[in-house]
Amino acid sequence: QVQLVQSGAEVKKPGASVMVSCKASGYTFTNYYIHWVRQAPGQGLEWVGVINPKDATTRYARRLQGRVTMTRDTSTSTVYMEVTSLTSEDSALYYCAKGDATWSFDFWGQGTLVTASS
Amino acid sequence: QSALTQPASVSGSPGQSITISCTGTRSDVGNYNLVSWYQQNPGKAPKLMIYEVTERPSGVSDRFSGSKSGYTASLTISGLQAEDEADYYCCSYAGNSIGIFGGGTRLTVL
Repeated sequence: QVQLVQSGAEVKKPGASVMVSCKASGYTFTNYYIHWVRQAPGQGLEWVGVINPKDATTRYARRLQGRVTMTRDTSTSTVYMEVTSLTSEDSALYYCAKGDATWSFDFWGQGTLVTASS
Repeated sequence: QSALTQPASVSGSPGQSITISCTGTRSDVGNYNLVSWYQQNPGKAPKLMIYEVTERPSGVSDRFSGSKSGYTASLTISGLQAEDEADYYCCSYAGNSIGIFGGGTRLTVL
C-alpha cells in the first residue's frame, strides 16, 4: 500500500534552516510527483512546491521562492524539503503528498510540525 | 498569487444538499479543468474527494460531486450526514507547474 512517512517535529530559532524528509513506499517512486503543502496553526492549506522525482525538476510557490529547496534520493525513495531563513510565519504543519498529471494529491504524509521560535 | 475564494462556512441539516463554491481567475480555475477538492477532519491530513473538476476517487461516496462554470468550481454534498462535518478545500492548477488552494470552508451539520 502507498505510504508517505515524514520526519519528526522540529523547533528552530528564527533565521535558521530546517530540512524535512518524506519517504515513499508502495508505488514506483519516479512515476509520480511529490508536492509539499503547509498549514499554519488554525489556518488553511498553502501549496509550497513540487518535485518530479524522475528528473529532480522543481517548482516553488512565489512566496517562498529563494528560501525553499526540494531534492530527492531515488536510491531510498525519499524527498527532502529545506526552508532557510525561517521566521515565525513559517511555523506550520508541513505535509508531503503524492501527485500526478491531474494535479491532485491522492496520498498524504502524516505531517511534520515546524516551529520557528526564539 | 491570491488564494482561491471560498465561503468561510456553510451549514445544512442531515439529508439536505449543500454546495461550496471556489472562485478563481482566468489564470487558474477558468483556464484548466484541474480542480480538486479535499476534506480535512481535525488533526488529520486532507483527503482527496474530487479531482479534475468532476471525478471521484475510488472509495469516495457518490454523494460528493463537483462541477465548474467559468471561474467558479463547486463541490456539492447531497444527503448530508453528520460524518460530513469537516473543513473543505479546493485546489487548482495555475499554470507553470504552480498550484493554489482556496481559503477553506467549514461545513457544519446542524
